[in-house]
Amino acid sequence: KAGVTQTPRYLIKTRGQQVTLSCSPISGHRSVSWYQQTPGQGLQFLFEYFSETQRNKGNFPGRFSGRQFSNSRSEMNVSTLELGDSALYLCASSEQGARLNSYNEQFFGPGTRLTVL
Amino acid sequence: GQQVMQIPQYQHVQEGEDFTTYCNSSTTLSNIQWYKQRPGGHPVFLIQLVKSGEVKKQKRLTFQFGEAKKNSSLHITATQTTDVGTYFCAVPSGNTGKLIFGQGTTLQVKP
Repeated sequence: KAGVTQTPRYLIKTRGQQVTLSCSPISGHRSVSWYQQTPGQGLQFLFEYFSETQRNKGNFPGRFSGRQFSNSRSEMNVSTLELGDSALYLCASSEQGARLNSYNEQFFGPGTRLTVL
Repeated sequence: GQQVMQIPQYQHVQEGEDFTTYCNSSTTLSNIQWYKQRPGGHPVFLIQLVKSGEVKKQKRLTFQFGEAKKNSSLHITATQTTDVGTYFCAVPSGNTGKLIFGQGTTLQVKP
């Protein structure tokens, strides 16, 4: 099976702009999670989508949003970019099912490195 | 909310020395996962521990889950340069389906 893919791999934006990142999960995986990784804060959970519904949300401002399509592909959007949004954005898919208390292996994509100038 | 402490933050060892990273939670965990991220790479799943007192081995890596299911450790015997990277533990946040990652332990190995 092909792994998780993310596009673009690198992105440079300026403050105030918005950005959309894309993630294609492993075929058959219905759960897609997004994480922000920075040197200072580590891996921070953004949100999780399952069957096109946002099932979990982390502690990020409303400028961060996402969606999932019927084919499980997911996008996340960041509006009104700030310098502090510079980070590696990782997407992970899993076979996690409908039960919230089952935890399966997360398969991470290569990430999108976003630089905000 | 659920928090997990991971120590140490950094570890420099000479090749051949052992290495251990610890993950501690204030609450009882249903399970814990471990991931490794090589420099410039993305996290890769290593293992999941579920049972109290569980010990699992993968070649030179030994994973333990505490008896009280509040802590876990990853021990590497006789480190090699290929072990370089950041090791993360990840724990569930209640029954929400969210995984919370520890801050990670970055291992440097001097040849």
